[in-house]
Amino acid sequence: AQSVSQHNHHVILSEAASLELGCNYSYGGTVNLFWYVQYPGQHLQLLLKYFSGDPLVKGIKGFEAEFIKSKFSFNLRKPSVQWSDTAEYFCAVKSNSGYALNFGKGTSLLVTP
Amino acid sequence: EPEVTQTPSHQVTQMGQEVILRCVPISNHLYFYWYRQILGQKVEFLVSFYNNEISEKSEIFDDQFSVERPDGSNFTLKIRSTKLEDSAMYFCASSEAGNSGNTIYFGEGSWLTVV
Repeated sequence: AQSVSQHNHHVILSEAASLELGCNYSYGGTVNLFWYVQYPGQHLQLLLKYFSGDPLVKGIKGFEAEFIKSKFSFNLRKPSVQWSDTAEYFCAVKSNSGYALNFGKGTSLLVTP
Repeated sequence: EPEVTQTPSHQVTQMGQEVILRCVPISNHLYFYWYRQILGQKVEFLVSFYNNEISEKSEIFDDQFSVERPDGSNFTLKIRSTKLEDSAMYFCASSEAGNSGNTIYFGEGSWLTVV
């Protein structure tokens, strides 16, 4: 069965700390990979996406993610978080042949000053 | 930046009542979607819609649900006879195309509370 797993449900970091949020998926075939962010009271916004090519993708606000096909992973990273990065982060996977995004359960990130 | 807009932002309804959630997708987008998020759970795909017909739907999207594009701008989700377990945030989304190269943009959601 297709699934998306986010390992950390709640993460608390101090400002300037480095961030890595894990995402693993179980899918057959070619996939497209996404990280979305939801700031408090706002809608889901795309941070970055991977479709093909360079497995290290850079997104907005200094975020990046690396697709490791052999590990079925797409971990999100940021070298130095800010208080404004406090939000819910969702990994999502889509089969290349389908329309539906399959989301992970999300990781709640709290960055303390 | 163009946005997907949704109304209402919050609706409270009695069990058994019909509810219509409305969405205005981004104007040049051709693919439309509904997702939902039950409190404390993950965002779940309900349905995708293209060229006036459903292109894909999940197991959640049973006969209780229907979607429609009544005019050139709106995209609606109708829940025929609401149940308590339909209480959730419903997200509308749209994309230029359905294939791999396109980003799906989400609206701010409509909170549905069934009492």
